[in-house]
Amino acid sequence: SQKIEQNSEALNIQEGKTATLTCNYTNYSPAYLQWYRQDPGRGPVFLLLIRENEKEKRKERLKVTFDTTLKQSLFHITASQPADSATYLCALAGYSSASKIIFGSGTRLSIRP
Amino acid sequence: EAGVAQSPRYKIIEKRQSVAFWCNPISGHATLYWYQQILGQGPKLLIQFQNNGVVDDSQLPKDRFSAERLKGVDSTLKIQPAKLEDSAVYLCASSLLPRTGKRSPLHFGNGTRLTVT
Repeated sequence: SQKIEQNSEALNIQEGKTATLTCNYTNYSPAYLQWYRQDPGRGPVFLLLIRENEKEKRKERLKVTFDTTLKQSLFHITASQPADSATYLCALAGYSSASKIIFGSGTRLSIRP
Repeated sequence: EAGVAQSPRYKIIEKRQSVAFWCNPISGHATLYWYQQILGQGPKLLIQFQNNGVVDDSQLPKDRFSAERLKGVDSTLKIQPAKLEDSAVYLCASSLLPRTGKRSPLHFGNGTRLTVT
């Protein structure tokens, strides 16, 4: 069955450093990969979408890569700030309009001042 | 634009009781989703509507869960009877109509936290 794996342990890094989160998947060939941010007690908020034919996408301090050979996406936050502390979820979807969006379990990121 | 509205925010019930959640999606969003998120896990899709019709309900426990979307706008999710393992956050999301080759992001509400005792 389709499986998405994200770092199960929390990631703690120093403010100003680059945070790198990993999303690996198996038994799936997604056409799209999305990253969401979720704060405690709130719903996920969309950050970035990358397509299977795109290697990299950037938005301000965020960068996402998508390697369909390795079946992996990396999510980077450069110049991290305490306000970036949250849980980050990756989500996959197929090409078809009826394809459902499947979420990973998320990685909790904590940025210390 | 106004976001996805959900109510109630919290609900505590005893097992075997029934409960209903309500969702009002973003205006113009044809697709509506209900996700279940158990503590420490990612959201799990329960049901996906496209306008009034069900696109996917393969992971909806149909013996106890039901959902409807009236007139292609608001939606309700019901659990009857509830079990202890139903304790979770129930998230509603909406998006523009997905098209083959184009995927819009999901917009989530803040969810209903259900505790079954």
